[in-house]
Amino acid sequence: AQRVTQPEKLLSVFKGAPVELKCNYSYSGSPELFWYVQYSRQRLQLLLRHISRESIKGFTADLNKGETSFHLKKPFAQEEDSAMYYCALRAQFSGGYNKLIFGAGTRLAVHP
Amino acid sequence: DTAVSQTPKYLVTQMGNDKSIKCEQNLGHDTMYWYKQDSKKFLKIMFSYNNKELIINETVPNRFSPKSPDKAHLNLHINSLELGDSAVYFCASSQDFQRFSGNTIYFGEGSWLTVV
Repeated sequence: AQRVTQPEKLLSVFKGAPVELKCNYSYSGSPELFWYVQYSRQRLQLLLRHISRESIKGFTADLNKGETSFHLKKPFAQEEDSAMYYCALRAQFSGGYNKLIFGAGTRLAVHP
Repeated sequence: DTAVSQTPKYLVTQMGNDKSIKCEQNLGHDTMYWYKQDSKKFLKIMFSYNNKELIINETVPNRFSPKSPDKAHLNLHINSLELGDSAVYFCASSQDFQRFSGNTIYFGEGSWLTVV
């Protein structure tokens, strides 16, 4: 079954501390993974795609197929990073259509 | 120049009423979606349309009926609203549903529905 698991509902850190938001997935095909961010009462925005291997706002994420993980990391958290973070998996179904399956989300709270 | 726009942004209504949320995208995308974010912030797909044709219909009560008059619009109509329908509803679009890989999905700002 296709599934995305984000084990932490809330991650609370102090400014300047390292951050790691965990994401594990279950998918039988070739996975494509994303991190989305939702700032307070705003739309979801794409933060990272694993195929891009880029760093956005200091965040990075590496796909580890052996551990089926796609953890989001940042070495030094900033207060403006406080938001809801969703890990998502693109899953392909019969008929050729795709959909995004989201994890339950992790709220990151960065304190001064 | 908003890519995906939804109206209304906030809606408070009584149980039993019928309401609609409208969505429009100006990206020229073929595929549009409705997602529901519940009170626990869990985000789940409800429907997907490609070129006005329904392609994904998750287990959603029949009281929810999407309508796509053209590929740039996907409206969500909800009959006989219940307390449990209170949520944030996000519209989204993507270029198409088959060559999804490598594309991104663009979300609207959400519509906060409160049923009292």
